[in-house]
Amino acid sequence: DVKVTQSSRYLVKRTGEKVFLECVQDMDHENMFWYRQDPGLGLRLIYFSYDVKMKEKGDIPEGYSVSREKKERFSLILESASTNQTSMYLCASSFGRELTEAFFGQGTRLTVV
Amino acid sequence: GIQVEQSPPDLILQEGANSTLRCNFSDSVNNLQWFHQNPWGQLINLFYIPSGTKQNGRLSATTVATERYSLLYISSSQTTDSGVYFCAVEPRSGGGADGLTFGKGTHLIIQP
Repeated sequence: DVKVTQSSRYLVKRTGEKVFLECVQDMDHENMFWYRQDPGLGLRLIYFSYDVKMKEKGDIPEGYSVSREKKERFSLILESASTNQTSMYLCASSFGRELTEAFFGQGTRLTVV
Repeated sequence: GIQVEQSPPDLILQEGANSTLRCNFSDSVNNLQWFHQNPWGQLINLFYIPSGTKQNGRLSATTVATERYSLLYISSSQTTDSGVYFCAVEPRSGGGADGLTFGKGTHLIIQP
């Protein structure tokens, strides 16, 4: 079974802190994604990566950056957390450019106070 | 970008009933998936179905790509089927692996 693991289920951070959300997948997938989910707005794509050291902006990249130094790990970085970044963050991975079934991690519920 | 509409937004049924959830999308797709979001927030893969029909136990799904819709069928509903069901697509024009666009979901409640 594909396993996508996010480092924390719940996280509470202060405004202005630098926050790292980590995601690791164990299936040698090329593609990795970060989404956020908010009531009434659904799931929206923040950033994605289709190879090591590659990154592409999604629909809502403002206020975020990402890092992919190794194939299995994709980090989402909030350079200076703000209260409007309180959300559920979901990481996903998929195999390639043909077979693109995505598998999701368990989610990180981030609260910025 | 591609639009994904799910219906109905909410559905309340008695245990044992059957249900049909619909997903309409506005453009050709490389990928269409159905997910069930559990109470802890994790998205559970139900079907990867850009076209055709698949079945898994009490659940089945059909995608008619030429008419740009997909249907998820749940038969003999159980209370554990409650939750939010999402349809998500990846547009063909994106060239693959460009991320999924999600519908707003159908919130299903199965009452005992």
